[in-house]
Amino acid sequence: GAVVSQHPSRVICKSGTSVKIECRSLDFQATTMFWYRQFPKQSLMLMATSNEGSKATYEQGVEKDKFLINHASLTLSTLTVTSAHPEDSSFYICSAEQGRDGYTFGSGTRLTVV
Amino acid sequence: AQSVAQPEDQVNVAEGNPLTVKCTYSVSGNPYLFWYVQYPNRGLQFLLKYITGDNLVKGSYGFEAEFNKSQTSFHLKKPSALVSDSALYFCAVSPYGGATNKLIFGTGTLLAVQP
Repeated sequence: GAVVSQHPSRVICKSGTSVKIECRSLDFQATTMFWYRQFPKQSLMLMATSNEGSKATYEQGVEKDKFLINHASLTLSTLTVTSAHPEDSSFYICSAEQGRDGYTFGSGTRLTVV
Repeated sequence: AQSVAQPEDQVNVAEGNPLTVKCTYSVSGNPYLFWYVQYPNRGLQFLLKYITGDNLVKGSYGFEAEFNKSQTSFHLKKPSALVSDSALYFCAVSPYGGATNKLIFGTGTLLAVQP
């Protein structure tokens, strides 16, 4: 079946640095990918929709300059958390659409900013 | 506003007993409906989906869900729970009836199956 690989699974960074998270569709092409953020014991919050070759569409309240999204190819989307702060610590999950059958999710990235 | 509700934060059930995890939605049109399961520090795994057709949908790991249009519900069920079913379950809706649109998630229900 369709697989989405998300890397890294866990990252710890210092406050003020930037962190890049990659999301790859391994055996299919994903025109559209989605980035979610999940707080402990809460649901997934959609941050942005990433479209190959065009600018991402951000949800209301999400800072586009802080959460940079690049979808340069049909198999790769990246999320860069710039100038990270402790409040950015969270679990980030990507997903890719597969047309009519639905969505496949990555395994998530646990970001801890110290 | 479009929304998905999972009224129970946690469901406790004994192993071998049937389980139900509830989900209701409030969206217009004919949405696509999904159930996902999440294990600790992992991404979401697809369980099943409803697009059209038979109201009873069978999915992975023995789970099934019943679509009820009049009650706008899509409850997840399993006839006999396993301890390994213990996880966080999310109901989700694609409001415009297509997988090229974003999903709206419920708040999740933690299923705890006691041996």
